[in-house]
Amino acid sequence: GENVEQHPSTLSVQEGDSAVIKCTYSDSASNYFPWYKQELGKRPQLIIDIRSNVGEKKDQRIAVTLNKTAKHFSLHITETQPEDSAVYFCAASRGRSWGKLQFGAGTQVVVTP
Amino acid sequence: SAVISQKPSRDICQRGTSLTIQCQVDSQVTMMFWYRQQPGQSLTLIATANQGSEATYESGFVIDKFPISRPNLTFSTLTVSNMSPEDSSIYLCSVEDPNTDTQYFGPGTRLTVL
Repeated sequence: GENVEQHPSTLSVQEGDSAVIKCTYSDSASNYFPWYKQELGKRPQLIIDIRSNVGEKKDQRIAVTLNKTAKHFSLHITETQPEDSAVYFCAASRGRSWGKLQFGAGTQVVVTP
Repeated sequence: SAVISQKPSRDICQRGTSLTIQCQVDSQVTMMFWYRQQPGQSLTLIATANQGSEATYESGFVIDKFPISRPNLTFSTLTVSNMSPEDSSIYLCSVEDPNTDTQYFGPGTRLTVL
C-alpha cells in the first residue's frame, strides 16, 4: 500500500520568513495530494490540494509543488504569520476514492513574532 | 463545503464497554470515511462506509471491533466495541464533497477509556 513520509517533524520560523514542508510517497498510482492544517483541539482543515495532472498550484501565500517522477510534493508558505502556527499534514490517495487518504506523520510549525 | 456534525463531541468510558459515534452530513454523499487520530499522532483510515453495502475496513481494523452502519446518504455510525485504554483517540468522520472532489472532516469525537 501507499506510504507517505513527511519532513521535518517540527519547523520553527521567524514571522515573515518562508516555510517549506516536504513529503514523499511510494505508490506511483497516487494522483491526489491534499494538505491539511490542524490547530490544537480542532479538526483538520483542507488548505490546498494538487492533482497529478499539474505541477504547481498557488493560493495567496500558500503553494504546493508536485514532482511525479521523484514522487514527492511540497508545501510552501510565504510571509509566515503567527496564525500559521499549527500541525500540517500531507496526504495521498489514488483513483476515484479521494477520501481514502494515507497521511504523513505531520509537521509542527511554530511561527515566532 | 458540506457541513458535518458528530455526536458525542467527547466521552469518557470504562474499559469493556462500547460507544457509538454518530456522523451527520447536511447533504447526500456517496462515500463516508472513518479515521482515528491517536494522541499526538497522524490520522489513520479505519474504514469506508457506503450506503447499501458492507463497510470496507483497512488493514489492522476489523468489523467486530469497529462495526459501522450507513443507513442513508447523510448518516453513519461507528461503534468502538469492548474498549480498552489503547482505544483512547479522536475519531473523525469525513466525506467527499461531490462538487469539488475534496475531502472534509467532521469535528471529531474525543474518546478516553479508563
